[in-house]
Amino acid sequence: GAGVSQTPSNKVTEKGKYVELRCDPISGHTALYWYRQSLGQGPEFLIYFQGTGAADDSGLPNDRFFAVRPEGSVSTLKIQRTERGDSAVYLCASSLTGVRGQTEAFFGQGTRLTVV
Amino acid sequence: GENVEQHPSTLSVQEGDSAVIKCTYSDSASNYFPWYKQELGKRPQLIIDIRSNVGEKKDQRIAVTLNKTAKHFSLHITETQPEDSAVYFCAASFSGSARQLTFGSGTQLTVLP
Repeated sequence: GAGVSQTPSNKVTEKGKYVELRCDPISGHTALYWYRQSLGQGPEFLIYFQGTGAADDSGLPNDRFFAVRPEGSVSTLKIQRTERGDSAVYLCASSLTGVRGQTEAFFGQGTRLTVV
Repeated sequence: GENVEQHPSTLSVQEGDSAVIKCTYSDSASNYFPWYKQELGKRPQLIIDIRSNVGEKKDQRIAVTLNKTAKHFSLHITETQPEDSAVYFCAASFSGSARQLTFGSGTQLTVLP
């Protein structure tokens, strides 16, 4: 596609439920990033994929959060036992590679997650 | 880990004036500094970036300066226009790329016609 696509655009879920957020990166981009943005704040890094593997997951807040990218393209962020504090906009970004010199990261519109 | 502080949090300027947003970072290993513009309800978009081997970079009305010694970098927008109104975020990364960016808290820029 022309840009990074994220679905759904909005998700309301009850506390304790499981949610999946999907990201379709720009075709050909090997690097994929997930960030979380709370209201009035800058995005916070969650996880970075280079190809199929999670090269850096140091930003995941706890073991309720997990992400996969099985074929090196689409990625899914999974949140178990959601809590109200998980409410935020989840942003996905992709870049040609994750290495120096191929850096511009293109963001998706985000998924606004609300846990009630 | 890296910590990025951004000032001011809000900035209002008259159309045609210049706007300056400043950021400081804590990790001397950081070597990539992008700036993003985010309009309300929209995705962050890269407007300019700079690497640690360069002191200044300019793209039309936008320029960024970097002082590695002081660990601060600034965004300069000249001849501001109403469409420049948005939230601007600075960020820093040690990887030379968009990996593990640490963002500032943002500056709401309002350009008054």
